[in-house]
Amino acid sequence: GQNIDQPTEMTATEGAIVQINCTYQTSGFNGLFWYQQHAGEAPTFLSYNVLDGLEEKGRFSSFLSRSKGYSYLLLKELQMKDSASYLCAVMDSNYQLIWGAGTKLIIKP
Amino acid sequence: NAGVTQTPKFRVLKTGQSMTLLCAQDMNHEYMYWYRQDPGMGLRLIHYSVGEGTTAKGEVPDGYNVSRLKKQNFLLGLESAAPSQTSVYFCASSYIGTSGGFGTDTQYFGPGTRLTVL
Repeated sequence: GQNIDQPTEMTATEGAIVQINCTYQTSGFNGLFWYQQHAGEAPTFLSYNVLDGLEEKGRFSSFLSRSKGYSYLLLKELQMKDSASYLCAVMDSNYQLIWGAGTKLIIKP
Repeated sequence: NAGVTQTPKFRVLKTGQSMTLLCAQDMNHEYMYWYRQDPGMGLRLIHYSVGEGTTAKGEVPDGYNVSRLKKQNFLLGLESAAPSQTSVYFCASSYIGTSGGFGTDTQYFGPGTRLTVL
């Protein structure tokens, strides 16, 4: 079966750095996506990785290791507005997205 | 650009009633999707469409039907609602659905419809 695992909840302090991990087992791989979802709102696109390595975009970075079936999202200089759920999704061999259940990130002052 | 819009935003149904959820996008995207999101679970694909006039089943299609008569619209129908269909429904669209290049398969989501079936 296909599976995406990520921690259910994480807590971090404003101004700090947090790393959200995602491991996957899918039939094929055509890229990995990270989305942010604030409570009661739609998911919004954050990043896309298809090759191994680190992609940096402002305060957010995303890393991929295809051989390990592993990715992480790194958030720096945390702000209160970063409190949200972060969804990891993998595009499988049929070009369908398989979604993790999401990691709820709580930022404390 | 409004992006992806959904109507209604909220709805309460009784078991056995029917309803249609409407999704519209103004980005000229070919692919459209209907997902449901339940607590503690990832988004699950109900049905999707690769272009006007075409539809296909996703992971959890039972109890739902869809139509894509116009490129910009994707309708999700519940013929006889059941309490198990209580969920948040999201529509999404993408330029294409296969990795034809960076960003072309990124999905953009509507605001969601919160449906309760009593």
